[in-house]
Amino acid sequence: GQQLNQSPQSMFIQEGEDVSMNCTSSSIFNTWLWYKQDPGEGPVLLIALYKAGELTSNGRLTAQFGITRKDSFLNISASIPSDVGIYFCAGRDYGQNFVFGPGTRLSVLP
Amino acid sequence: EAQVTQNPRYLITVTGKKLTVTCSQNMNHEYMSWYRQDPGLGLRQIYYSMNVEVTDKGDVPEGYKVSRKEKRNFPLILESPSPNQTSLYFCASSLSVESVLYGYTFGSGTRLTVV
Repeated sequence: GQQLNQSPQSMFIQEGEDVSMNCTSSSIFNTWLWYKQDPGEGPVLLIALYKAGELTSNGRLTAQFGITRKDSFLNISASIPSDVGIYFCAGRDYGQNFVFGPGTRLSVLP
Repeated sequence: EAQVTQNPRYLITVTGKKLTVTCSQNMNHEYMSWYRQDPGLGLRQIYYSMNVEVTDKGDVPEGYKVSRKEKRNFPLILESPSPNQTSLYFCASSLSVESVLYGYTFGSGTRLTVV
């Protein structure tokens, strides 16, 4: 079935640094969602994107729907310790298949 | 508080011993789904239900059963668990199948170990 790739798989950053991660697909998507999973909890929706080129912010988080429709990006500015967790992208292609990516694990060092 | 409640949070069982993981939502959501989360593989859908008495297979249904007799409950049943079903399981719900595009509400997860 459809698969998403997320990069990087994991990252260690210093508190205060900016973070960038991306999600790519082999086919065209019409919706991209970004979720965050805190340790020991279920994923929580951060940002949803519905249009190619769309740029949406939620506090220190900014996500973009790639112009090619095959990728999406998530940036976190001025990271803080509570940003620790796993970030999942998810999306739907034009065949109505909805899938999650494997996740990017973020660790923030004080 | 609007939520999806799973029980138990942790479960260790032996191969072949039938078990049920319960899931209940209090938001009157029509669409419910079960996912398993494994390292490097992300969340993979096991089964989903669009409404009462309507269930369908997801991407990895083998070894699992579900039922949807009431709108609020969507239990996951492992008739004969095997070690390869050791995983973290999440129940999720949304208002409708179309509403998934606006985000799921996830439960807190059930960590299952089959020895």
